[in-house]
Amino acid sequence: DAGVTQSPTHLIKTRGQQVTLRCSPKSGHDTVSWYQQALGQGPQFIFQYYEEEERQRGNFPDRFSGHQFPNYSSELNVNALLLGDSALYLCASSFWKGVGQPQHFGDGTRLSIL
Amino acid sequence: AQTVTQSQPEMSVQEAETVTLSCTYDTSESDYYLFWYKQPPSRQMILVIRQEAYKQQNATENRFSVNFQKAAKSFSLKISDSQLGDAAMYFCAGYNFNKFYFGSGTKLNVKP
Repeated sequence: DAGVTQSPTHLIKTRGQQVTLRCSPKSGHDTVSWYQQALGQGPQFIFQYYEEEERQRGNFPDRFSGHQFPNYSSELNVNALLLGDSALYLCASSFWKGVGQPQHFGDGTRLSIL
Repeated sequence: AQTVTQSQPEMSVQEAETVTLSCTYDTSESDYYLFWYKQPPSRQMILVIRQEAYKQQNATENRFSVNFQKAAKSFSLKISDSQLGDAAMYFCAGYNFNKFYFGSGTKLNVKP
């Protein structure tokens, strides 16, 4: 039973560029959430996708956008990269109707902005 | 909105001893869930334990247990018989309306 998988593992970009991160949810899960985790901090909620729509959004600018595909996989896109976007980006999956059930996390993508 | 606070940035415990990690939260909701996650250097967040707010009984998972004080909005994690593999960052998290709110984490060191 495959867990949550994220790609790539590590990415280096320069300021102003755009980046796309990918996530495949755990088998049986239909909801994907994205988090940004700065060094030494807890994960901060970016947004959540269910049925190919953004359902909830945290306090992040419009430079952060996403998409969910019919197979429940998801992408996180970040435009006009800033140095402050350097962080570990975590994807978590869950079952929409599983109220209060824990999210399952991937290993994350480490994004470094030069 | 929900906020989660972990006031201990780092703690240390001797192998085989017991340690308690603190967490407080703030919410106006009556129906919510609380979690402790562990994040080893490998980066993956691993669920340690889950508590339903409407249950008065404290959750227990093997060597891990919580002390859930609803009125005080406190949710501490006790690790008994600490093992070297317990060394990691521990995050307290609250869940409400399909959103998770994480604290800033406590780094746990386990000394042999």
